[in-house]
Amino acid sequence: QQQVKQSPQSLIVQKGGISIINCAYENTAFDYFPWYQQFPGKGPALLIAIRPDVSEKKEGRFTISFNKSAKQFSLHIMDSQPGDSATYFCAASILGSGNTGKLIFGQGTTLQVKP
Amino acid sequence: DVKVTQSSRYLVKRTGEKVFLECVQDMDHENMFWYRQDPGLGLRLIYFSYDVKMKEKGDIPEGYSVSREKKERFSLILESASTNQTSMYLCASRASGTSGRIALLKEQFFGPGTRLTVL
Repeated sequence: QQQVKQSPQSLIVQKGGISIINCAYENTAFDYFPWYQQFPGKGPALLIAIRPDVSEKKEGRFTISFNKSAKQFSLHIMDSQPGDSATYFCAASILGSGNTGKLIFGQGTTLQVKP
Repeated sequence: DVKVTQSSRYLVKRTGEKVFLECVQDMDHENMFWYRQDPGLGLRLIYFSYDVKMKEKGDIPEGYSVSREKKERFSLILESASTNQTSMYLCASRASGTSGRIALLKEQFFGPGTRLTVL
């Protein structure tokens, strides 16, 4: 029940296209859903995050869509650029007093944007 | 800028050796974490520490131990390295909340990772 399932494992998109990465979870107590971006040779870095009280959050070309009833959330990268080529991880955690806030990560998606 | 540094980028050890991975953060963060990253498995939490001398097991603690004697430093120890511990190891740190609360919306900052190969 602590798992977060991420798909696809790899993704190839043409420059200017839309990249979509999906995640699903089981534990309805999760209340924080961040996405991390990792470039080769670097550690992951927070890209964007959402709480379940909203269905969508947008920051520039990156959008998280959240479907609470389906227990799914996804990352959309609009106008994908070669510089977006990286590994993306979704994650989930439980915040608030008495909880550790530890992140449960998905399996990761390697995105390649072709010029 | 927050900086999390790890002592080695690449490390090669022999089976049975005791291995120390060091992590240092410069932002006075209370919380520190050790993950391992394997293809197709994502990041899995090994151990985390709320504060100095405090530690808690993560999801895959077997074969590992940790030490946090100073706030800025968190060490991962492989008591007797085995080939199945060949992996990328990532350290992270995070500020805790205030007024005794933890796990607020605080970002985890990751180091660049240590690629450990056990032969």
